[in-house]
Amino acid sequence: AQSVTQPDIHITVSEGASLELRCNYSYGATPYLFWYVQSPGQGLQLLLKYFSGDTLVQGIKGFEAEFKRSQSSFNLRKPSVHWSDAAEYFCAVNTGTASKLTFGTGTRLQVTL
Amino acid sequence: GAGVSQSPSNKVTEKGKDVELRCDPISGHTALYWYRQRLGQGLEFLIYFQGNSAPDKSGLPSDRFSAERTGESVSTLTIQRTQQEDSAVYLCASSLYTGSYNSPLHFGNGTRLTVT
Repeated sequence: AQSVTQPDIHITVSEGASLELRCNYSYGATPYLFWYVQSPGQGLQLLLKYFSGDTLVQGIKGFEAEFKRSQSSFNLRKPSVHWSDAAEYFCAVNTGTASKLTFGTGTRLQVTL
Repeated sequence: GAGVSQSPSNKVTEKGKDVELRCDPISGHTALYWYRQRLGQGLEFLIYFQGNSAPDKSGLPSDRFSAERTGESVSTLTIQRTQQEDSAVYLCASSLYTGSYNSPLHFGNGTRLTVT
């Protein structure tokens, strides 16, 4: 069965610093990978997705993620964090068939000024 | 209003009562999910509907939980004999299954359930 691991429960970065949130998945073939963001009091919003092709994908709000098959990873990055990026970030995977989407446990990002 | 709609947005109930949560997916979306999010926790999968296929109920935590979906439209999640540990935000999401993959999920704003 597919699974997703987000090893960092909580990360704090300074505004303007770079950010990398880790995500590892477990699945035999190439999965479909997603990052979602949940701002305080808000619903979940899709940041970006990887289905196939270029392994570096661009998303909204200046985020990007890189699919690395050899490491079974799909880490989320941003070159310069803004205070408004403080939120909970969830990595998710499904197999591309009519199967359920499985989420990681999330990483809470705190941004200090 | 093209988004996923959930009602009620907040529900406070007494322990032992039954509650029913409603989800209106985006029109045309064949897939519908229910997730639970306890305070400070991640998303816990509950149940998944895909078209006319048998639902994936593998995430329902007990037989007090059940869900139905009428065709490709409204879904209701029912919790019988609520317990305090059922307190959480219940999120519904829908997506379009193209025949080869599911499009990204669109989430509703959730129903915040408080069991007193």
